[in-house]
Amino acid sequence: DQQVKQNSPSLSVQEGRISILNCDYTNSMFDYFLWYKKYPAEGPTFLISISSIKDKNEDGRFTVFLNKSAKHLSLHIVPSQPGDSAVYFCASNAGNMLTFGGGTRLMVKP
Amino acid sequence: EAQVTQNPRYLITVTGKKLTVTCSQNMNHEYMSWYRQDPGLGLRQIYYSMNVEVTDKGDVPEGYKVSRKEKRNFPLILESPSPNQTSLYFCASSFFGTDEAFFGQGTRLTVV
Repeated sequence: DQQVKQNSPSLSVQEGRISILNCDYTNSMFDYFLWYKKYPAEGPTFLISISSIKDKNEDGRFTVFLNKSAKHLSLHIVPSQPGDSAVYFCASNAGNMLTFGGGTRLMVKP
Repeated sequence: EAQVTQNPRYLITVTGKKLTVTCSQNMNHEYMSWYRQDPGLGLRQIYYSMNVEVTDKGDVPEGYKVSRKEKRNFPLILESPSPNQTSLYFCASSFFGTDEAFFGQGTRLTVV
C-alpha cells in the first residue's frame, strides 16, 4: 500500500510553459515533504521542500504547494526548460524514514 | 567536494553468491540509508542508520543486511542474492533522517 502516490507516470510540456507535477499522500502524520529530481545514470538530487506549517514554498522557478486537507502537494516549474527533463520524485517523512512516490517523468520539448 | 560514493556501479552475479555494495560519505552525516528503485515503485527504503552502531529496518529489509561500524561507511550486504533483488540501489546520507539527503550515483545489480 503506497502511502505516497504520483498518479501521472509521465508529463510532456512545451518549453516556456508551466509544468505541474502532482503528489498525493495518505498518512496524516507526514509533516515534511520534499521533491527530488533524477537524471538518467545519476542519483536523485534534492530540489525543494515544504513543512506542513506552510502551504507554499518558492525557490526561483520552482514552487511547491501543499494542501493538507486534501493530502495533496504539487510542484510548479515556471518557465519550463529542456534541462528540466528528468524524473521527479515526491517524498514524505514518517518518523525517521522517507517514503517516496513512484516518480513522474517530465519531458520539456524545445 | 561533498559526495556519497557507491561501489560498484554495475554488478552481475549469480543466485546465492554473497556480495557487498559499499557506500561512503565525506560530509560527516549521522544518517545514512539504502534504497532500491524499481519501475513504478519509486525508491523504497531498505535499511537506515541514525549513527554508528545504530541501524533499523526500512520498508523492504528482507534479504539484506547492513552495518555501521564507522560514521562514513554504510555497506549493504546480500548474503544469498536472489533474482528478485535485481534492482537499482542508492545509498544516501543526511544530517537528519528527513532532511535534504545526498544520494550516491547508484549500483545496478543483476542477479541471474
